[in-house]
Amino acid sequence: QQKVQQSPESLTVSEGAMASLNCTFSDGTSNNFRWYRQHSAKGLEVLVSIFSDGEKEEGRFTAHLNRANLHVSLHIREPQPSDSAVYLCAVTSSGYNKLTFGKGTVLLVSP
Amino acid sequence: EAAVTQSPRNKVAVTGGKVTLSCNQTNNHNNMYWYRQDTGHGLRLIHYSYGAGSTEKGDIPDGYKASRPSQENFSLILELATPSQTSVYFCASGDGGVGQDTQYFGPGTRLLVL
Repeated sequence: QQKVQQSPESLTVSEGAMASLNCTFSDGTSNNFRWYRQHSAKGLEVLVSIFSDGEKEEGRFTAHLNRANLHVSLHIREPQPSDSAVYLCAVTSSGYNKLTFGKGTVLLVSP
Repeated sequence: EAAVTQSPRNKVAVTGGKVTLSCNQTNNHNNMYWYRQDTGHGLRLIHYSYGAGSTEKGDIPDGYKASRPSQENFSLILELATPSQTSVYFCASGDGGVGQDTQYFGPGTRLLVL
């Protein structure tokens, strides 16, 4: 069964500094990776989807995928206080029909 | 305007009572999902649907039923609510392969079972 773990559990960065979040997964056949953001127990907003090794950029958000290392990361360029939220990694595997979510990283961006 | 809406947004129920949570989507997506979110567990899939008339069990279906009467609507039913079902419930819609799709979430329903 797929296991998805995120680190760190919480992260504080200063406004304008790069924020880096990590996600590891257990199933090497995983082929579908997404990062979501959730503000204060509201609905989830998809930030970036990535399906092959390498990098995918969506505005200030960049995902890096290394399937050999079972690792996907999210980098937030020039974070703003409004980026303070919980960031969730979601992974699915070829042939499976559901996403597995990590427990999230709480990001606080201080002015 | 929001493409996935949920009602009610907040609900207080009594143990043993019946609770129905409703979800409506205007994305015209085939797939719809119900999750619950609890501290320490993250989001967990309860039921999902491939289209009108279909419902499938997710990872934690016990104590829950689902109904998909139309493309737009997907309900989650707690026939006999228990305090352990106190949680925040999220509905989502997606297109493409089930589980392979980008899922778009509603704002959530906060349920308290006393």
